[in-house]
Amino acid sequence: DAEITQSPRHKITETGRQVTLACHQTWNHNNMFWYRQDLGHGLRLIHYSYGVQDTNKGEVSDGYSVSRSNTEDLPLTLESAASSQTSVYFCASSGTSRETQYFGPGTRLLVL
Amino acid sequence: DQQVKQNSPSLSVQEGRISILNCDYTNSMFDYFLWYKKYPAEGPTFLISISSIKDKNEDGRFTVFLNKSAKHLSLHIVPSQPGDSAVYFCAARNAGNMLTFGGGTRLMVKP
Repeated sequence: DAEITQSPRHKITETGRQVTLACHQTWNHNNMFWYRQDLGHGLRLIHYSYGVQDTNKGEVSDGYSVSRSNTEDLPLTLESAASSQTSVYFCASSGTSRETQYFGPGTRLLVL
Repeated sequence: DQQVKQNSPSLSVQEGRISILNCDYTNSMFDYFLWYKKYPAEGPTFLISISSIKDKNEDGRFTVFLNKSAKHLSLHIVPSQPGDSAVYFCAARNAGNMLTFGGGTRLMVKP
């Protein structure tokens, strides 16, 4: 079955370290998204991509970057992790912009 | 400034009764609204949606109502079941096809 996976599921890191969270989907979806979930804020969009080599900033993009070298993967990089980036991160994908987004299981990140 | 708000962080309902989850929005340019359900340690899953040109959409036990003049939507679950216990997020889509999520409501259905 097609799916969307994230790794690692849990990560502890130190402030200042570079961290990369992986997202892989097997639906061949063009659109991929990264969100963070924080209590009281729901899900906020970090970055998104409409296809290979396309990346765009979302609502809370500072301190994060993404790259899209193929259809299946959209890794999220925290350039220099900060305690404010402690959160749960969700990746999502959709076939077109008007279609429902399907979410991965999430990565819980703790920055000490 | 949150454009989509869920003012009730939690809701407790008895099994078999109706659950009503509410969501308010401020941006009149939103053209599509969705509800997602999230269990602990899992990603959100799509539940039901409604276009801004409609005022009601029903799918089994789940019905979403949209009141455009009040910029308000609600999700009704009838009858509520213990397996419905989860966090529910409403989301709104704008012309740029981006989703804006509310803060979520935790529903607890008591047996």
